[in-house]
This record gives sequence, structure tokens and C-alpha cells, in this order.
Amino acid sequence: NAGVTQTPKFRILKIGQSMTLQCTQDMNHNYMYWYRQDPGMGLKLIYYSVGAGITDKGEVPNGYNVSRSTTEDFPLRLELAAPSQTSVYFCASSDGLAGGVSADEQYFGPGTRLTVT
Amino acid sequence: AQSVTQLDSHVSVSEGTPVLLRCNYSSSYSPSLFWYVQHPNKGLQLLLKYTSAATLVKGINGFEAEFKKSETSFHLTKPSAHMSDAAEYFCVVSDGGNTPLVFGKGTRLSVIA
Repeated sequence: NAGVTQTPKFRILKIGQSMTLQCTQDMNHNYMYWYRQDPGMGLKLIYYSVGAGITDKGEVPNGYNVSRSTTEDFPLRLELAAPSQTSVYFCASSDGLAGGVSADEQYFGPGTRLTVT
Repeated sequence: AQSVTQLDSHVSVSEGTPVLLRCNYSSSYSPSLFWYVQHPNKGLQLLLKYTSAATLVKGINGFEAEFKKSETSFHLTKPSAHMSDAAEYFCVVSDGGNTPLVFGKGTRLSVIA
């Protein structure tokens, strides 16, 4: 049982390039999330999904896209990377059984450190 | 809308002494409150959560937190710090349902031998 896995661990992008951050969970969780963590700040929610085929915007969705074709996978797409997207990105999942996003324990992956120059 | 304020960006304690990490919240409803811990270069891990049951919540590794509605606080405590407690701690609030979690800016805990 690997939990939540993310690839890659590190990436350097040039301005204007695109990339996809991969996230997979093997806990059969319904809910999945993408956060970004900037230095000295708490996590900000980018997008989340409550099940396959269902996604919704979080607090900071601009410049990102997501899809959820399976329960296990929740990739995050960056189009036209900008320096403001330099951050550490965390994927998380929860089972949704305790009452939704607000009450569930979220399980986090180890993060992807992205630098855009 | 909900918000959370962690009153200290950095706390330093000696090994074996008590730990107090302070958190105040703002919420329009009966909130859910969490403490998460992040060790260096790792993802976050849940320490404990409050969801309108007992106001004193016990978590992992000897940590506990008390929900005080009158003071809108949810401070994290531990009687005796261990070197392995050195990490970043995040207080988190949610207004319920599918309202996304709101994270505080974090408190870095240092433990001195």
C-alpha cells in the first residue's frame, strides 16, 4: 500500500513550457486534491475532485487544469508556465466518509518541487 | 468565510519541556478544526481533528488540542517535547460539507537538546 504517490519529485521549467504533474492513490478514495505551498505560507487549494469525472475549482485555479478519468489518478496540468507558479505542489486524497472535505483526514503525497525560470 | 491565524511563526523549546502552539480561527458555522504536521521534505500528516464531539482532542505522538469556542482558539499542546517533534505545524479550519480546508501559515517548532 503506497498511499499517495507523485511524480516527478523535482522539475525545472522554462517560461511558457507546459507539463503535467502526476498523482496516484491506491486507497480507493473518492476525494482528491491539489494544493500549492509557497514559502512561509500555508497550503492553497488549486482544484479538487469528489469522484471520477467530477472536478471543481479551489482557491487558486488560474493557470492550471485537471481531469479525473479514474478513481486512482488525478493529474494536474500547467499550461504556459509562469514564474508565479514556482512552488511545491502536493496531491492529497480522502475517503469522503466522514462528511466530505470538511471532516475527513487527508492523506498527502511527498510533493513536487517546481521551479519556473 | 473561515480563516485561521497561527500566532507564532517559530517556537523553540528544550527537549523534555512543554510545547504550546497557538491557533485562533474565524468561522461562520460550527467548524471542523485540524492540526497537521510536516517534517522536512515530506507531505503533511494529520495529528488530530475536532468535529463537534469532545472539546479536548487527543492525537498521535502525545499531542492534544482544546477547542474553546468563547476564545475561538484551538491551541496544540504536548507535555514533553522530543527531538523528533521538530517540524512545521499547520492549523486548519473548515466550515463544513464540501467547503475546502483553509490552512494557517504554519509554526516551525525547534527542539533543543
